[in-house]
Amino acid sequence: DTGVSQNPRHKITKRGQNVTFRCDPISEHNRLYWYRQTLGQGPEFLTYFQNEAQLEKSRLLSDRFSAERPKGSFSTLEIQRTEQGDSAMYLCAMTGTGNTGELFFGEGSRLTVL
Amino acid sequence: QQQVKQSPQSLIVQKGGISIINCAYENTAFDYFPWYQQFPGKGPALLIAIRPDVSEKKEGRFTISFNKSAKQFSLHIMDSQPGDSATYFCAASKGGYQKVTFGTGTKLQVIP
Repeated sequence: DTGVSQNPRHKITKRGQNVTFRCDPISEHNRLYWYRQTLGQGPEFLTYFQNEAQLEKSRLLSDRFSAERPKGSFSTLEIQRTEQGDSAMYLCAMTGTGNTGELFFGEGSRLTVL
Repeated sequence: QQQVKQSPQSLIVQKGGISIINCAYENTAFDYFPWYQQFPGKGPALLIAIRPDVSEKKEGRFTISFNKSAKQFSLHIMDSQPGDSATYFCAASKGGYQKVTFGTGTKLQVIP
């Protein structure tokens, strides 16, 4: 158990609908990352937060994507007007308490856009 | 732009054999090089990591070899076991706490 919980684990939606994923880490004070992983590929960086501040966003994060981390605790990733190309696993990760650089990943939220 | 290139894409190794996965990076500012292991339905988990001030790091059956001048690093799994069957990702980052860039992954199958 990495201490990073993601919900829902699987979401099936129709093209054009909005979806929201949630990440609940144990610790509130470390950095929180969102990655996207498509089949047969490595995780691709989307964005990360230090407390409630969003410090960096990837060019992959189009204007249909928005992420928040209110009060530096849980985080949400919303995708508006979903497209079939959004189908992927969305992974949340946290850094640990020590400065080791290690990322602790949740089990991911798999999105299928029909 | 793929900043971390990984090979091979897939690998089949006999039980007890040595599994070798190679990675190359482009950004000389990278200073933290982890390897992650991912089982189906799970998120990646850190296996072993190295910083560029050493050329090799060993933890149990897992060894990272690092060649700074060639901008390459590799993972060696000694005495490979069926339980090692998973997808392995090399990765790199600047400063450890920065965003981590992953390779495309190697699917390892260890056959009895």
